[in-house]
Amino acid sequence: DIQMTQSPSTLSASVGDRVTITCRASQSISSWLAWYQQKPGKAPQLLIYKASTLESGVPSRFSGSGSGTEFTLTISSLQPDDSATYYCQQYNSYSWTFGQGTKVEVK
Amino acid sequence: QILLQGSGPGLVKPSETLSLTCAVSGYSISSGYYWGWIRQPPGKGLEWIGSISHTGYTDYNPSLKSRLTISLDTSKNQFSLELNSVTATDTAVYYCVVGRGPIFQFWGQGTLVTVSS
Repeated sequence: DIQMTQSPSTLSASVGDRVTITCRASQSISSWLAWYQQKPGKAPQLLIYKASTLESGVPSRFSGSGSGTEFTLTISSLQPDDSATYYCQQYNSYSWTFGQGTKVEVK
Repeated sequence: QILLQGSGPGLVKPSETLSLTCAVSGYSISSGYYWGWIRQPPGKGLEWIGSISHTGYTDYNPSLKSRLTISLDTSKNQFSLELNSVTATDTAVYYCVVGRGPIFQFWGQGTLVTVSS
């Protein structure tokens, strides 16, 4: 299986800050990467797929980039509603695997 | 908008079979998409369990394949998960999901299943 490693595991930032989360794959996955947001007690929600394509309805402050083995999720201006855990997921190689998650706290 | 409603027993005994069903509204499961299951142990990350296409083709996580069956019931517009010989490590919130292949676009609310005697 392809291993997905996210960093940092947790981060704390203020409203309006630019926030970046990194996801690294143990081997190249081209651009076959998705990002999900999970709020406490809720199911995850798809934010981005194919590394940089924003899912319909997702605010434009979220963006994704990268290819190969290194990817980033950026929140351009952090909002209180963005307090959540974020997961990356590769779908290049069966079976599909997730990163361990990054918890984002809004100060 | 596709809505998913998972259901099933919240408590299963060790060595028995975990059975969950996901009722689908807003779309006919025989028309398209991939339907599947993802689980999340308490306080931990996400694990893909398996998926089934609208034609019945299945993909299973190799680590669970020997114990796993995912099936469609088009007459009831629902799909199901059966995981046998469960142990405490199978305790998790189980989400039913649907999407374009392995991109999980819509999720059910999650069903907590505890394996305990």
